[in-house]
Parts: sequence; C-alpha cells; structure tokens
Amino acid sequence: AQSVTQPDIHITVSEGASLELRCNYSYGATPYLFWYVQSPGQGLQLLLKYFSGDTLVQGIKGFEAEFKRSQSSFNLRKPSVHWSDAAEYFCAVVTSYDKVIFGPGTSLSVIP
Amino acid sequence: EADIYQTPRYLVIGTGKKITLECSQTMGHDKMYWYQQDPGMELHLIHYSYGVNSTEKGDLSSESTVSRIRTEHFPLTLESARPSHTSQYLCASSESRSEQYFGPGTRLTVT
Repeated sequence: AQSVTQPDIHITVSEGASLELRCNYSYGATPYLFWYVQSPGQGLQLLLKYFSGDTLVQGIKGFEAEFKRSQSSFNLRKPSVHWSDAAEYFCAVVTSYDKVIFGPGTSLSVIP
Repeated sequence: EADIYQTPRYLVIGTGKKITLECSQTMGHDKMYWYQQDPGMELHLIHYSYGVNSTEKGDLSSESTVSRIRTEHFPLTLESARPSHTSQYLCASSESRSEQYFGPGTRLTVT
C-alpha cells in the first residue's frame, strides 16, 4: 500500500543547531515529493519539491531535502534553526495516478 | 502569487445548525480538496474535485457535502452541525501532479 511515514512525532532542537526531519515513503515508482510547513492556526505552505533531476533540492527559508531512491527517503534539513522555524512539518507524495498522500507530520520545537 | 481564500476563518455555532464553509481560488486550478485536521494532528482528506461537476469522497468519512459548479469555488456544507464536527477545515487546490496551495483554514467549533 502507498504510504508516507514520518518517524519522529516531535523534535526539540536548540536555536542555531542543525535539523533533520525524516520522511520515508512506500510507492513502487518514483513519486513527486514535497515538504510543507504549517504554523499554528494556519494552512500549509510549500517548502520545497522534488520531481526529477538533482536529488538535493533547495527550498525557501534555508531548507533543503535529499531524495534517496535506495532508501525511499526524502529527509528535510536545515543547517541552523531559527526560533521562527517552530511549526508542524508535513512530507507528502503525489503518485503517478495523481493521488496525494500526506505523512502524519513532525512537530518542531525550538529552544532559545 | 497563489491566492486561495476561506471564509469564515473562525465559526462558533450551535448543534443542529446548517453551515457552509467557503473556499475560492483565483489560479484556475482544476483540482480542489477539503481536509479536516484536529490541532497538531495529521491531515485527513474528506472531499476532492477534479473539475466542474466532479466531486469525490476522500479517505475519511464525513457527513459533509461539497459542490463544484464553478472552477474557482468549492464550498463545503454541513446540514446539521454536531460537536463531533469541531475541527479545522483546510481547503487546497492544485494543478495535475503538482504542489497544493492551501487556504488559511476555517476553525469550526460546534457547541
């Protein structure tokens, strides 16, 4: 079955520390991959996306993600976290049948 | 600039009332979606549409209904609101196999 997992429900990091949020998917073909961020009480905003080509993609707000086909992963990274990065992060997959599958989300807290 | 609007942003209403949550987008996207999300929790797809006069139920069963008479408009209706309907409702739109653009959400409280 097609699915997206985000193994970490909640992560806490200190401001200035590096960050990696994990995303794994289960899908037979190469999906289109996305990371979204959601601030409290708001809708989701696209951080970055991967369709094809270079497996390291850059996004907004200093985020990047790397697609690893062998691991079926699309982990999100940021070298230095800011307090304003505290939010909920969702990984998503769009299949060749145009079905959208969201992961359960990872909540990020930032310690000043 | 991606523009997708939801009204109202907040709604407190009594049990048994009929409500309609509005969603409009100005991007000409064929695909539109409604998600239900409890605070800090995952998104649940409740309805989607691939174009005018096309509506489908999503993965999560919902007592709400939707319509798609115009490309830009995708309202969600609850005929008789109940406390179990208390949640945040997010509307989104997209082109084929592309990112979704989300509205700001409607936070519904049924008393």
